[in-house]
Amino acid sequence: DVKVTQSSRYLVKRTGEKVFLECVQDMDHENMFWYRQDPGLGLRLIYFSYDVKMKEKGDIPEGYSVSREKKERFSLILESASTNQTSMYLCASSFGGDPSGNTIYFGEGSWLTVV
Amino acid sequence: AQSVTQLGSHVSVSEGALVLLRCNYSSSVPPYLFWYVQYPNQGLQLLLKYTSAATLVKGINDFEAEFKKSETSFHLTKPSAHMSDAAEYFCAVSNTGGFKTIFGAGTRLFVKA
Repeated sequence: DVKVTQSSRYLVKRTGEKVFLECVQDMDHENMFWYRQDPGLGLRLIYFSYDVKMKEKGDIPEGYSVSREKKERFSLILESASTNQTSMYLCASSFGGDPSGNTIYFGEGSWLTVV
Repeated sequence: AQSVTQLGSHVSVSEGALVLLRCNYSSSVPPYLFWYVQYPNQGLQLLLKYTSAATLVKGINDFEAEFKKSETSFHLTKPSAHMSDAAEYFCAVSNTGGFKTIFGAGTRLFVKA
């Protein structure tokens, strides 16, 4: 089975802290994604990466950055956490090539609360 | 531009009753369409997907969805609801050559005993 593992399920951070959310996939997928999930808004794409060291902005990249130094690992960084970044964060991956019809595999999510 | 609209943020059915979750999409080119399910405290997992083969797509746990181009719809159905079907369901659309999959806002399904 494909496994996407997010290192932290629940985090509480203070405003202004730098926050790292780590994600590892074990299926040698080229594509990796970070989504944010909020009630009534569905999933919104923050950043995605289609290769090592490559990254592309999604729909809501402001306040976030990412790092992909190894194929299996994709990190989301909140440079200076704010209360409006309190949310559920989902990491995901998929096979490369034309990803349009590809299934996206999700991690279990990281609940971040910024106080 | 692509978009997805899920009609009804909450749907409640009795156990054994028909489940119908509605999804309409907007796409300028033939789309790929997906339904994902999210059980409590878990990530999303694929239920089924349409990739231009048969218009009636069967998925896991007896769910199925029908692609209707004339109605730009991809509604999800299940003949008989089970308590374990209680979850949030997301419709999604993507286009050929695009990296972005657009998700709907989600429909939470409640199943009453």
